[in-house]
Amino acid sequence: DVVMTQSPLSLPVTLGQPASISCRSSQSLEYSDGNIYLNWFQQRPGQSPRRLIYKVSNRDSGVPDRFSGSGSGTDFTLKISRVEAEDVGVYYCMQGTHWPGTFGQGTKLEIK
Amino acid sequence: EVQLVESGGGLVQPGGSLRLSCAASGFIFSDYYMNWVRQAPGRGLEWISYISGSGDSIYYADSVTGRFTISRDNAKNSLYLQMNSLRDEDTAVYYCARAHFLVVPFDSWGQGSLVTVSS
Repeated sequence: DVVMTQSPLSLPVTLGQPASISCRSSQSLEYSDGNIYLNWFQQRPGQSPRRLIYKVSNRDSGVPDRFSGSGSGTDFTLKISRVEAEDVGVYYCMQGTHWPGTFGQGTKLEIK
Repeated sequence: EVQLVESGGGLVQPGGSLRLSCAASGFIFSDYYMNWVRQAPGRGLEWISYISGSGDSIYYADSVTGRFTISRDNAKNSLYLQMNSLRDEDTAVYYCARAHFLVVPFDSWGQGSLVTVSS
């Protein structure tokens, strides 16, 4: 199975400041159709996960534009331009290119 | 509005069985792959099973193969997970989640159902 490695695992951030989470895959995530199926999920405390971004950089409906995704090959990044209090939670990357789909171990974002 | 509502969780002894259900509404159920994803206490997410819209394609993670059975009833807009021979390590919150395409899955999730395996 493809191993997804996130860093950092803990991310204290000051309100209004940017945040960045890295995700690295053990194999290239480029699919045979040329797409890269790397997705990002947010899990707020006590809530179910919610998908934020699919195919590296496409925001899901209702996701604020302060969230952005980028990357290629095996290296991907989720960025929050200005952290708000509601962004506290755990963020997971997940690859869908190689079967079975696998998640990273999660990055816990907290307010400093 | 898309809704996924799990039920059936609870406390069960090791070696016991439990059946989870997920009631879906707000979308054409048969158009979607349906999935079970679990999260052990304080741990990350594990995709354990999916079933295609027609039910003719099914997957299980190695961790549950031979013990868990996924099924669906499109007439009732419902997804099921029959869990047998439960182990301590199966203790987790079990989420149902939908996927239009398996490469970009889980655009909607249920609230989760807690399964605790303990003597």
